[in-house]
Amino acid sequence: DAGVIQSPRHEVTEMGQEVTLRCKPISGHDYLFWYRQTMMRGLELLIYFNNNVPIDDSGMPEDRFSAKMPNASFSTLKIQPSEPRDSAVYFCASSPYIGEQYFGPGTRLTVT
Amino acid sequence: ILNVEQSPQSLHVQEGDSTNFTCSFPSSNFYALHWYRWETAKSPEALFVMTLNGDEKKKGRISATLNTKEGYSYLYIKGSQPEDSATYLCASDGGATNKLIFGTGTLLAVQP
Repeated sequence: DAGVIQSPRHEVTEMGQEVTLRCKPISGHDYLFWYRQTMMRGLELLIYFNNNVPIDDSGMPEDRFSAKMPNASFSTLKIQPSEPRDSAVYFCASSPYIGEQYFGPGTRLTVT
Repeated sequence: ILNVEQSPQSLHVQEGDSTNFTCSFPSSNFYALHWYRWETAKSPEALFVMTLNGDEKKKGRISATLNTKEGYSYLYIKGSQPEDSATYLCASDGGATNKLIFGTGTLLAVQP
């Protein structure tokens, strides 16, 4: 398996634009997580899914953020409109059960 | 303790030195404690997942112990090598939810 795949790897956009980050989890993994990593707050969980259903979105910063998982092999994290303070590295991770998580390479987002 | 805390924040050692760092986590509603290794420009990789009080796990020169009653875990590296340089993250799962709360990590630099 290729591991967790994220795209794009880097995204630079202007304030106010819509940003969509994509994730393909490892096949067979029932759990999918979206994290954000910043210098100030470290690695924070934004939202996670179990069998494509959102379980906990309490970490989503505000209504500008939304996440979907239309099927077992694809998830998106959308920011609309984006702001400079959204600049961070966004990681997707997946897990086959309650246990260790496998992280993707991350998407480095810069909002100018 | 309400959050996951790690100490020290950073550590500089010479090649061959043995070292250890600490993770403190809420002991109530504890389910599992995770250790991850995060190299610069890469994504976190799982080292250990521990659930039982007194658990000890080992992978090569790296080992970890767990005390769930007092809410701490130690990570030990024996005979540090430059390739051990990374940030070591711990994370607590407080209720078999698979929702991890991460500490801010210990940055280890091993000088040859």
